[in-house]
Amino acid sequence: AQSVTQLGSHVSVSEGALVLLRCNYSSSVPPYLFWYVQYPNQGLQLLLKYTSAATLVKGINGFEAEFKKSETSFHLTKPSAHMSDAAEYFCAVSTTSGTYKYIFGTGTRLKVLA
Amino acid sequence: GAGVSQTPSNKVTEKGKYVELRCDPISGHTALYWYRQSLGQGPEFLIYFQGTGAADDSGLPNDRFFAVRPEGSVSTLKIQRTERGDSAVYLCASSLRGGSRNEQFFGPGTRLTVL
Repeated sequence: AQSVTQLGSHVSVSEGALVLLRCNYSSSVPPYLFWYVQYPNQGLQLLLKYTSAATLVKGINGFEAEFKKSETSFHLTKPSAHMSDAAEYFCAVSTTSGTYKYIFGTGTRLKVLA
Repeated sequence: GAGVSQTPSNKVTEKGKYVELRCDPISGHTALYWYRQSLGQGPEFLIYFQGTGAADDSGLPNDRFFAVRPEGSVSTLKIQRTERGDSAVYLCASSLRGGSRNEQFFGPGTRLTVL
């Protein structure tokens, strides 16, 4: 079975500071991994995805994530936080056979302080 | 182009009532997913359609929940005898083919409140 753990349900950073949101996964087969962002009262928007190509994945809005198999991690980073980054972020792993459904983590709410 | 749309955006109902939630996927997307997001949680998988057929309904919590996609496009999630515990945001997503590399595009969700 696959699972995702997001450490830290709430993260606060100052504007301009580094953003680091943690995601660890469990999978018996090579996974596909995703980060989605959800703004209040909006749907989920894909930030980036890892599909077994490059281990460092660049996404939209200056975000990137690195797939580390040895650590079973896929942490999301951004060098400099902006006020508009305040949102909830979800890490997800996709099954690699059958239905390709997503297994989501519980989410991390990012707060950016002025 | 148009994204995934869901109607209604909000639905308030009384315990015991029947509700239908509708999802219009992106045109041409053959794969359609329903998820449920409870307060403070990540979305949880309910059911997956490939075309008209439900390929995986293992996430449906019980037999009060049912979903259809008769023409391979629009899908309806149906909940009978609603309970207060059914209150959540119901999300629909579609993807081009359903393979794991294919990004799922999510709708804005339907917020269901059962009083």
